[in-house]
Amino acid sequence: KNEVEQSPQNLTAQEGEFITINCSYSVGISALHWLQQHPGGGIVSLFMLSSGKKKHGRLIATINIQEKHSSLHITASHPRDSAVYICAVRTPLYSGGGADGLTFGKGTHLIIQP
Amino acid sequence: GAGVSQSPRYKVAKRGQDVALRCDPISGHVSLFWYQQALGQGPEFLTYFQNEAQLDKSGLPSDRFFAERPEGSVSTLKIQRTQQEDSAVYLCASSPKRVAGLYEQYFGPGTRLTVT
Repeated sequence: KNEVEQSPQNLTAQEGEFITINCSYSVGISALHWLQQHPGGGIVSLFMLSSGKKKHGRLIATINIQEKHSSLHITASHPRDSAVYICAVRTPLYSGGGADGLTFGKGTHLIIQP
Repeated sequence: GAGVSQSPRYKVAKRGQDVALRCDPISGHVSLFWYQQALGQGPEFLTYFQNEAQLDKSGLPSDRFFAERPEGSVSTLKIQRTQQEDSAVYLCASSPKRVAGLYEQYFGPGTRLTVT
C-alpha cells in the first residue's frame, strides 16, 4: 500500500499570504489528486496530476515524479480558502474501475484569517 | 441540480446496535463508492458498485459491514454490532462513468456516526 504524507497538518495564515501544502508518497503512482473538503464533509476535486504543473485561478499544483512529491500552492489567499486539503494517489493495482488503489493523505487543515 | 445526498447526516448509536446509512446518488450515475473517514484522517475506500453489482468490497473492515445497491440507484451501508472504532464520517460518492477516477466522483456531505 502506498504511504501518503502531507505537511503541514495544520496551517493558519493571514489573508493575502502565499500558501504551500506538500504531499509525499512512497510508491510509483499513475495519478495524484488534490481535493478540498469543507466543513460538513463535502469534497471537491481540485486537480488531477500525472506530471508537471496545473493552474486553476489562484491554485497551482505541481508534481515531481522522480522525487515522489507534489505541492499545492494558493496565491493571494482568502478566508474562503479555509478548508481541509487532501492529497490522494492512485497506484494501478487493477483496471476494474473501482477504487484503483487509492490512498488518501490525512489532510492539511488550512485557516486563512482576515 | 440535486447532488449526492446522504441520510442521516448524524447518527449516534450505542455499542452493539445495528445502523443503516443511506446514499442517494445523482440520478443516472452508474458508479457508487463508499468511504470511511476517521477523525483527523483522510478518507479510506470501503466498497464500490457499478449499477447493482458490488465489484469491489476489499475495503470493508470486517464482516460486520455490509453494503447493497439492489436497484442500481440508492445504496445502503449497514454496520452490525457497532463498535467504538466504527465512529467516523461515512462518505458516499457517485459518478456517471463506469471507470471513475477520483476527479469524476461527486461526493455527498457524509454521515457522521458516533458510537458510544
